[in-house]
Amino acid sequence: QKEVEQDPGPLSVPEGAIVSLNCTYSNSAFQYFMWYRQYSRKGPELLMYTYSSGNKEDGRFTAQVDKSSKYISLFIRDSQPSDSATYLCAMSAGGYNKLIFGAGTRLAVHP
Amino acid sequence: DTAVSQTPKYLVTQMGNDKSIKCEQNLGHDTMYWYKQDSKKFLKIMFSYNNKELIINETVPNRFSPKSPDKAHLNLHINSLELGDSAVYFCASSQSQDQPQHFGDGTRLSIL
Repeated sequence: QKEVEQDPGPLSVPEGAIVSLNCTYSNSAFQYFMWYRQYSRKGPELLMYTYSSGNKEDGRFTAQVDKSSKYISLFIRDSQPSDSATYLCAMSAGGYNKLIFGAGTRLAVHP
Repeated sequence: DTAVSQTPKYLVTQMGNDKSIKCEQNLGHDTMYWYKQDSKKFLKIMFSYNNKELIINETVPNRFSPKSPDKAHLNLHINSLELGDSAVYFCASSQSQDQPQHFGDGTRLSIL
């Protein structure tokens, strides 16, 4: 079993839809949680960074962390074609522990 | 201004050759990383340096050797390239191990 599980998709939605992306994990020591967006032929770009449990909102993006269920989510409201990319969750126990990435979910938002 | 820059962007070479990839960050970060992203887009850490000191060294063949001349640079040298080395290699940096990492745009390595 992988430490971080993420459905690779692809996920196809119409413009304006609410998108929900999720990851589950097995290591209860994880306490730093991130979401990255990766466009084709580009490097991952940080979208959201959360420490421990709770919600964080930034514009159309909301990140949720539920440590009791070992489950994190990224919601995208009013999705746009420019949101079409691969979304990677990542998490770490902190300190000198490495960052573990999910496999990435490919999202396509069509006009 | 590019925060994390890698050169070259593309590298096509023959099996058995030796090649280097360079990385520079202008963010003033203390920690730098090398990742490998395979054809399935899975991103896996190879090495991590903090202030020029090796912190993380994953199970990577000895043919891969990172070098950090100063904390703004982390280069990756690969000896005796093999077909399985074909991938995209990403450099990243962060203020510290607990802070978010910022990535370069990758070096696409193809072995013929």
